[in-house]
Amino acid sequence: GQQLNQSPQSMFIQEGEDVSMNCTSSSIFNTWLWYKQDPGEGPVLLIALYKAGELTSNGRLTAQFGITRKDSFLNISASIPSDVGIYFCAGLRIQGAQKLVFGQGTRLTINP
Amino acid sequence: NAGVTQTPKFQVLKTGQSMTLQCAQDMNHNSMYWYRQDPGMGLRLIYYSASEGTTDKGEVPNGYNVSRLNKREFSLRLESAAPSQTSVYFCASRVVGDQPQHFGDGTRLSIL
Repeated sequence: GQQLNQSPQSMFIQEGEDVSMNCTSSSIFNTWLWYKQDPGEGPVLLIALYKAGELTSNGRLTAQFGITRKDSFLNISASIPSDVGIYFCAGLRIQGAQKLVFGQGTRLTINP
Repeated sequence: NAGVTQTPKFQVLKTGQSMTLQCAQDMNHNSMYWYRQDPGMGLRLIYYSASEGTTDKGEVPNGYNVSRLNKREFSLRLESAAPSQTSVYFCASRVVGDQPQHFGDGTRLSIL
C-alpha cells in the first residue's frame, strides 16, 4: 500500500535547537496533517493544512503545504523536552471515505 | 475526557484464539477507522466505516472483520489470531468533509 516518504526517520538534538522534518509523495493530496504520538498514546493532531502554499503555525510549530501538493514540512523552533515523541505526516484525498495515508514517522530525541 | 475510547488497552492471546477490540466515540462523528501500527511502518488502515451501516476494506484487511454497531461504536474482530497480528491497534473517528481524524490511545495486542 502507499505510504508517504517521511524524513528523517530519527533525530537526536540538543534542547533549544530547531527541528525540521518533511514528507513527500508521488501523488497529490488535498489536505496535509501533522500528528504527534507520545509513548503509550494515540496520535494527536498538531496542525492541519488545507490549501497549497498554506503556512500555518501552532505555537513553536510551523507547517507548510507544498505548492505542488505533493509535500509538506514541519518545523519546531527552540525545542524543549516535552517535544520528544514520534511525529507523523498524513495526506488526505477528498474522495470516498477520505482515507489517510501516513508517513513512517520521525522519532525525536532531545538531550537536555 | 471526551473522544475515542478503546478497550482493552492490553491483551495477550494464543495463536488461534479469537478476540474483539472495542471502540466508541462520543463526538457524534460519522466515519470511524481501524489502524494497526508496526515499528517503522507508520499506521496502516485495516477497515473503515464511512457512515453508520457501511464498512469497507482498507490496506491490510486480511484476518480481520469489523462491525459498525451504531453511530458510536466500531469493533474489530480477529477470528483466529496469528503471531503476525501482534501490533498496536488504533481506532479513529472523523466528522465530515476534510476534518481530521481523532485517535484513541490504542490496544496493545500480543499473540503468542
